[in-house]
Amino acid sequence: DTEVTQTPKHLVMGMTNKKSLKCEQHMGHRAMYWYKQKAKKPPELMFVYSYEKLSINESVPSRFSPECPNSSLLNLHLHALQPEDSALYLCASSQEISNQPQHFGDGTRLSIL
Amino acid sequence: AQSVAQPEDQVNVAEGNPLTVKCTYSVSGNPYLFWYVQYPNRGLQFLLKYITGDNLVKGSYGFEAEFNKSQTSFHLKKPSALVSDSALYFCAVREFHNTNAGKSTFGDGTTLTVKP
Repeated sequence: DTEVTQTPKHLVMGMTNKKSLKCEQHMGHRAMYWYKQKAKKPPELMFVYSYEKLSINESVPSRFSPECPNSSLLNLHLHALQPEDSALYLCASSQEISNQPQHFGDGTRLSIL
Repeated sequence: AQSVAQPEDQVNVAEGNPLTVKCTYSVSGNPYLFWYVQYPNRGLQFLLKYITGDNLVKGSYGFEAEFNKSQTSFHLKKPSALVSDSALYFCAVREFHNTNAGKSTFGDGTTLTVKP
């Protein structure tokens, strides 16, 4: 069992829908991350939060909107996505954003119709 | 800028034989190096890390890695492979400086297949 919980595990949505991905950790970590991963490829960093403040945005399109309501929760709000956005979305956390390893959730598999 | 190379897309070994998954890196400062494993339909799992100290790092599930500064390598090794080690392995490097703190660069991954 992973210590980072992501919901839902699977999501199918149309291009006009609005949905949200959720991520939760209770390890007291102060850094949280969103990644996008295509099959058999490395994860691509999207956003980094440190102490609930956005630290890095990797030039992600505005149809993806992150939110960190508190130190345990991380959301990714989705709107007007494109078929190429279909992927596995991984959340991760680490104690700090320096030299600490990341703990990953099992991801949300997103399909855009 | 930081980068990671995993020169082998695929590594095949027989069960019980030693395995090596290769990784080389490039950073301008001191590297923080990590190995992760990903099983099908799962997230990445942390195996081991090198920050400072001994060049030989021991991690989970019997894996170890050797940091070689002169060759800028951080190869993953295991003395005796198990069929259950079959998975996708990622090497990652992180260089800590303010503007990119928190950004890890991952290699393209190596698929390890251990045959009975």
